[in-house]
Amino acid sequence: NAGVTQTPKFRVLKTGQSMTLLCAQDMNHEYMYWYRQDPGMGLRLIHYSVGEGTTAKGEVPDGYNVSRLKKQNFLLGLESAAPSQTSVYFCASSYSGSDTIYFGEGSWLTVV
Amino acid sequence: GQNIDQPTEMTATEGAIVQINCTYQTSGFNGLFWYQQHAGEAPTFLSYNVLDGLEEKGRFSSFLSRSKGYSYLLLKELQMKDSASYLCAVRDQRGSTLGRLYFGRGTQLTVWP
Repeated sequence: NAGVTQTPKFRVLKTGQSMTLLCAQDMNHEYMYWYRQDPGMGLRLIHYSVGEGTTAKGEVPDGYNVSRLKKQNFLLGLESAAPSQTSVYFCASSYSGSDTIYFGEGSWLTVV
Repeated sequence: GQNIDQPTEMTATEGAIVQINCTYQTSGFNGLFWYQQHAGEAPTFLSYNVLDGLEEKGRFSSFLSRSKGYSYLLLKELQMKDSASYLCAVRDQRGSTLGRLYFGRGTQLTVWP
């Protein structure tokens, strides 16, 4: 079972470049999330979605945009990458707002 | 928002028992989760408590006291493979943010032979 899949797994960007991280889940989950994880900071919610066509801001949304055009996909975009966005990004999903959240394997992003 | 506090590091020896505490202050509560995360890997679900009391699952147990804003994860018969970061997370209850999960900074557990 694939579960939650993220692409790419590793990427190096130059400051000012743009990129999109793709998250796909095959569990028919309504809720999807993007987190970033930094040393000493724990997991912080960037944006999330409670269903197809909907998105909402999390704790640290600045510098990121998201889209949920299809239920199974949740895209995270960086329009103009900054070194402060160097981090590990985790996508996650859950069936509902009261259900267990399952994580993808992570995407390591370095902005130089 | 949420304020979640857990120790940064703990150590224990193989075969021992360890308790990892988590305290939280929240404006809305809809459950507490524990996740395990090995270095370089994704967090994996361990346990979920929404009512007061103890939930046991094999070598792992989790306890919740909502009135005290307190939870602990108990790991018995420790094995080397239990060396990992343990993340406490609280789910928000408020309607507009229902489902949001707030994480503590994690407790790095090292198990020695």
